[in-house]
Amino acid sequence: EAQVTQNPRYLITVTGKKLTVTCSQNMNHEYMSWYRQDPGLGLRQIYYSMNVEVTDKGDVPEGYKVSRKEKRNFPLILESPSPNQTSLYFCASLGTDTYEQYFGPGTRLTVT
Amino acid sequence: RKEVEQDPGPFNVPEGATVAFNCTYSNSASQSFFWYRQDCRKEPKLLMSVYSSGNEDGRFTAQLNRASQYISLLIRDSKLSDSATYLCVVESGAGSYQLTFGKGTKLSVIP
Repeated sequence: EAQVTQNPRYLITVTGKKLTVTCSQNMNHEYMSWYRQDPGLGLRQIYYSMNVEVTDKGDVPEGYKVSRKEKRNFPLILESPSPNQTSLYFCASLGTDTYEQYFGPGTRLTVT
Repeated sequence: RKEVEQDPGPFNVPEGATVAFNCTYSNSASQSFFWYRQDCRKEPKLLMSVYSSGNEDGRFTAQLNRASQYISLLIRDSKLSDSATYLCVVESGAGSYQLTFGKGTKLSVIP
C-alpha cells in the first residue's frame, strides 16, 4: 500500500528540548516536503526536498531543520522548540508525474 | 507572493443540495490545479485534478477559467459524508512541483 508514515503522531514537549519527527514514504518519490497547519493560516510549507541531499526552504523555515540522506526518509528537526511551534505537522511526498501529493497522518506537537 | 484565495465558509447546506466553491489564484504561470479534501484532524487527500476543459467525477465537477484565474468545484446531491474542508491547490509553475494551498472552505451537510 502506498503510504507516508510519520512518528510520533502526538508529542508534548518543553521549550528548548530538541526533537525529531520522522517521515518515510514507500513510493520512491523524489520530492518530499513538510508543512505546518494552524487555524486560520492553512497549510504552510516549512522545507522541501527535490531529491537526496537536496533541500530548500519553504515559506516558514525558521526554527526547523531537515535532512535527506535517503530517498524514502525526510525527518524534521526542531533544535530548540518554542511554544509558537505548537502546531499540526504534515509530511508529504509528491508523484511528479501526476502532481498528486500524498500526506502522512500528521503529528500534533505541543510545546509548553 | 503566490496566493490562492478561497471563501472560508462555513457553508451549511441540507442533504441533497448543490453547493459551489470558488477559488482565485494570483500566479498566471500556474499550470496544474487541484481540489483536496480534508476531514477534521486528518491529512488532506486529493479529490480531483482540474483540467482546462473542465472535468467531472460522479457528483463532483471542477472548472478552470485561466483568463480570470479562477477555479470552481461543484458538488451535486450533497451527502452527509461530504462534510469536510475543501482545499484549492495550485502548482507554482515552471515545473517547480511547488504547491500553494488555499486556506480551505468548510462544508457542513445537514440532515
